[in-house]
Amino acid sequence: ELKVEQNPLFLSMQEGKNYTIYCNYSTTSDRLYWYRQDPGKSLESLFVLLSNGAVKQEGRLMASLDTKARLSTLHITAAVHDLSATYFCAVVRDFGNEKLTFGTGTRLTIIP
Amino acid sequence: DGGITQSPKYLFRKEGQNVTLSCEQNLNHDAMYWYRQDPGQGLRLIYYSQIVNDFQKGDIAEGYSVSREKKESFPLTVTSAQKNPTAFYLCASSINGDTQYFGPGTRLTVL
Repeated sequence: ELKVEQNPLFLSMQEGKNYTIYCNYSTTSDRLYWYRQDPGKSLESLFVLLSNGAVKQEGRLMASLDTKARLSTLHITAAVHDLSATYFCAVVRDFGNEKLTFGTGTRLTIIP
Repeated sequence: DGGITQSPKYLFRKEGQNVTLSCEQNLNHDAMYWYRQDPGQGLRLIYYSQIVNDFQKGDIAEGYSVSREKKESFPLTVTSAQKNPTAFYLCASSINGDTQYFGPGTRLTVL
């Protein structure tokens, strides 16, 4: 059974600082997604990582994937208040049917 | 505008009552999914469908039922057999093998 763990679960950081969220998964997968969720809202797709060594960047967020270590990271650079949200990673567990297993999420709060 | 719509936004259910949550998409996506989210937790897969007239159970299908009679629509019924249905329900769709895009969600509360 595929397990997906994120850490930390809660993160408070000051504006302007850098930090990294970690996503570990337990079995081989060929695809990993990062999503953002604002309180009471739906999920917004951020990144899809398709291969070992893949790196994607959008604004102050950068995601990477190490399939050998079964680890993905979401790095936040010079955080701003607008990045406050819950971030989920999700891993594809079955080829061909796109069944996802989600991590429990990291609730990020950016403090002015 | 292309997208995924869910209705209603809020739904209240009495004990022993079946309720149906609507999910519609006009993105021409083949695959559709239903997830449940409990407070402070990730999403868990209830049912999914990769093609019209076919669907598969996810991880927590007990107490739920679905149909997929049209490509655009994937309604979820929460039956009285689901003992703890209070949660946030999210529908998603995708081109098979690609990113899942989510609707705005339905918040279901049992009275």
